[in-house]
This record gives sequence, C-alpha cells and structure tokens, in this order.
Amino acid sequence: QLQLQESGPGLLKPSETLSLNCTVPLDSVKYYCAWVRQTPGKGLEWIGGIFYSGTTFYNPSLKSRVSMSVDTSKTHFSLRLKSVTAADTAVYYCARHLIVGGRLSWFDPWGQGTLVTVSS
Amino acid sequence: SYVLTQAPSVSVAPGGAATFTCGGDNIEAQSVHWYQQRPGQAPLLVIFYDRGRPSGIPDRFSGSKSGNTATLTISRVEAGDEAAYYCQVWDDTSDHVVFGGGTQLTVL
Repeated sequence: QLQLQESGPGLLKPSETLSLNCTVPLDSVKYYCAWVRQTPGKGLEWIGGIFYSGTTFYNPSLKSRVSMSVDTSKTHFSLRLKSVTAADTAVYYCARHLIVGGRLSWFDPWGQGTLVTVSS
Repeated sequence: SYVLTQAPSVSVAPGGAATFTCGGDNIEAQSVHWYQQRPGQAPLLVIFYDRGRPSGIPDRFSGSKSGNTATLTISRVEAGDEAAYYCQVWDDTSDHVVFGGGTQLTVL
C-alpha cells in the first residue's frame, strides 16, 4: 500500500512562512503530489499540486502566497505558504493526484495529515 | 469558478440507504469522485470516475450521475459509515480542483 507522509513544524507565528514536506515512495515515478487543507470543522480546500517534472497548478485564492517544489530524488515534495495568519490554521494533507488519460483526476492515497497552528 | 453543491447533512437508520447529491453546472461533462472522511482521519476515496469503486470499498457504495447532479448511494448503512462525504472534480476550463462542501452522514 502506497504511503505518503507529511512533515513540518506544527506551530507558526503570524507572518511566518509555512513549510511542509511530503515523502513518497522511491518507486513512485511520474508522481503528481497535491496539497489539500482542512480548517477545523470545515471542508476540504485544494491548495495546489506539483508534478515530478516541476509543473504546478495553484488555487487562485492562495496563488500569491504559495510555492511548491520537488527535489531531485523525486521523493520529496514541498509546500511553502508565506505570510500566514490564523486563517491558515488547518490540517494539511498531501495526496497523490492521479493522471488518467492525460487528465488530472482523483486523489489516492492521502497522507495522514499534519496540523499546523498559527498563533502569536 | 466552478461550484459543487452538497447538502450539509443526511440521517439514516442502520440498514437503510443513504443518498448524497452533488450538484454542479453541466456536471455530466465532469468526472466526479467521492471521498469518505471519518472523524480524525484523512479522506478515503470511495468512488472514482462517477461510478468506479476502488479495491477494498464494499459494493454497498455506488455512484451515478444524471443531469446536473452526481449521486453517491450507500445501501445497508452501518454505524461505521458515519462520516463526512465529499465530491470532487478537476475543472478543465480553469485547471482547478473543486471540492463540494461535504455532507455529514449521521447513522441514527
């Protein structure tokens, strides 16, 4: 069973930069890693995603603050969200975004998620 | 931007059928995927491409689509099905993922 694992600081102060990593298995070539967040008690919000080649798609509502990258081993995908506020407090998930027939489709599997709290 | 609309909540007695709807403009042209999220857990794919069922998902879960509505149906509901259910599409026109707001299933 494919496993994804998010990692990164759980507590940030307002105006800091959120940095999270998602580790995927070595044999997951042509991987498309998406980031999704969920504020407490609310629904799912797509942040964006990055292909192993570096191609990205971002949610327009977050685009000005978001950047994503992938390392040369293609096993570590990173999310950066700058100038965080309390509204960015959420559980952040990484997930494999399947490409089927040349089209991005569903998310499977998901990481367990990591809670990031923004508080002064 | 594309919007998916879900009812906030559904309640059903054990053994009954739960129906979740996901409304969107011309959703017939979209591929709809469904996720189950139990409290404290990550979402789990239960239906892909409108009606496909991943390995390990019971055949009590089924999906369909008609007009401007996609539907997830759980038959013979069990207590363990209590969760939030989300629909999702990839909107080609904007190159964005869209999630519905989610529907909370309560098993009475």
